[in-house]
Amino acid sequence: DVKVTQSSRYLVKRTGEKVFLECVQDMDHENMFWYRQDPGLGLRLIYFSYDVKMKEKGDIPEGYSVSREKKERFSLILESASTNQTSMYLCASIGTGGINEQFFGPGTRLTVL
Amino acid sequence: GQQLNQSPQSMFIQEGEDVSMNCTSSSIFNTWLWYKQDPGEGPVLLIALYKAGELTSNGRLTAQFGITRKDSFLNISASIPSDVGIYFCAGQKVGGSEKLVFGKGTKLTVNP
Repeated sequence: DVKVTQSSRYLVKRTGEKVFLECVQDMDHENMFWYRQDPGLGLRLIYFSYDVKMKEKGDIPEGYSVSREKKERFSLILESASTNQTSMYLCASIGTGGINEQFFGPGTRLTVL
Repeated sequence: GQQLNQSPQSMFIQEGEDVSMNCTSSSIFNTWLWYKQDPGEGPVLLIALYKAGELTSNGRLTAQFGITRKDSFLNISASIPSDVGIYFCAGQKVGGSEKLVFGKGTKLTVNP
């Protein structure tokens, strides 16, 4: 019954490292999203993608990039990790049915030392 | 980026009590959504509201889409320990797009 999976539940990286967070959905959804979640700030949209090779900036794209080479996979890349990118990262996908067809992954808790 | 004003930030209640939380915005939304996030998991959609004034129930949960389209509330009746978690509201703006704006969350603790 797995729908949206994220490559790691917990990740610890060092400042300056390049970090890849992977998200895979098995529902053939067009739309995929990356959010970060911080205490007291809720979910903030980093990037989203409406289709393969298409991407759009969300509200806080600085310091991040994304890749969508295949429909089922949406990758979030931290080119040079910094301590202020320590956070919970959540991936989500939405199908053609709209919000009722939305699912979140379990999240990746990233710590940058 | 815009965020919704969600309150309260946290609640500590006794099992059996009713709970109410709300979200407000300066912008009009097409759709209001309420999610619950269990510890260590991603948010799960509880209720979606599509029309101003709409009142929708899902078991012990009831949510309403405000008449002005700028607010929504969620009520939980007769709370139980498994209601513990963080509840988020989210709005989808007029004009389509699947992009959502989220509130900051209400952390609910239920004492048995």
